[in-house]
Amino acid sequence: GNSVTQMEGPVTLSEEAFLTINCTYTATGYPSLFWYVQYPGEGLQLLLKATKADDKGSNKGFEATYRKETTSFHLEKGSVQVSDSAVYFCALSKGGSEKLVFGKGTKLTVNP
Amino acid sequence: GAGVSQTPSNKVTEKGKYVELRCDPISGHTALYWYRQSLGQGPEFLIYFQGTGAADDSGLPNDRFFAVRPEGSVSTLKIQRTERGDSAVYLCASSATRTNTDTQYFGPGTRLTVL
Repeated sequence: GNSVTQMEGPVTLSEEAFLTINCTYTATGYPSLFWYVQYPGEGLQLLLKATKADDKGSNKGFEATYRKETTSFHLEKGSVQVSDSAVYFCALSKGGSEKLVFGKGTKLTVNP
Repeated sequence: GAGVSQTPSNKVTEKGKYVELRCDPISGHTALYWYRQSLGQGPEFLIYFQGTGAADDSGLPNDRFFAVRPEGSVSTLKIQRTERGDSAVYLCASSATRTNTDTQYFGPGTRLTVL
C-alpha cells in the first residue's frame, strides 16, 4: 500500500542553521506530495505541496522538490528561525483515493 | 473567513460510554475528512465524505465507529462503547473538491480521553 517514511526526530538546531528533513514515499503511479506543519498548540496547516514530478513547492523559505526517480520529497530551509520550531509531517495523496497518508512526523526545535 | 471548527476541544469519558464529535467544515467545501492522531504519530485516515455520502470509510477501525454528514455540511463522528485505546486527537479536514491536488484544511482537533 501507499506509505511515507520520514526521518526520525527530534531535530535540534541553532538559529540560522541549514535544515533538511528527509521524506521518501511508496506509491503506485503519481501521488501528490505535501508537507504539513503543526506549531505548538495549533492545528495542522499546509506548508507546501507538489503535484507532479520535478515540481518544487516553496513557502516561508522552505522548499521541497518532488523526485520521482528517488521517490523523495525532502524538506529544506537555508536558515531556520526560532519560530520554525514545530512538528513537520510529510504526506501523500493518491488519485482516486484522496485521503492523505502521513509520515510519523519530525519534531524540530530551533534554539536562539 | 472561518476555518474548520471542531467541538468539543476536549472530551473525557469513561470506558464503555458513547461519544459524539462534531466538525464544521469551511463553508462551501464539499469534501470532508476525519483522521485520528495518536501521541507521537502522524494522523491516520478514518473516513471521507463527498457531499452527504461516505465515499471511503476504509479507515474506520471497527463497527463501533460511525460518521454522518446528513446535509452535506456539518459532520458527526460517533463512537460507541468507547475503549481506552480510542484515546487520541480526532482531526477533521475539508477541501473544496475531491481531487488529490486540493489542499485539505484541518481543524484544531478534539482530544478524546477514555478513562
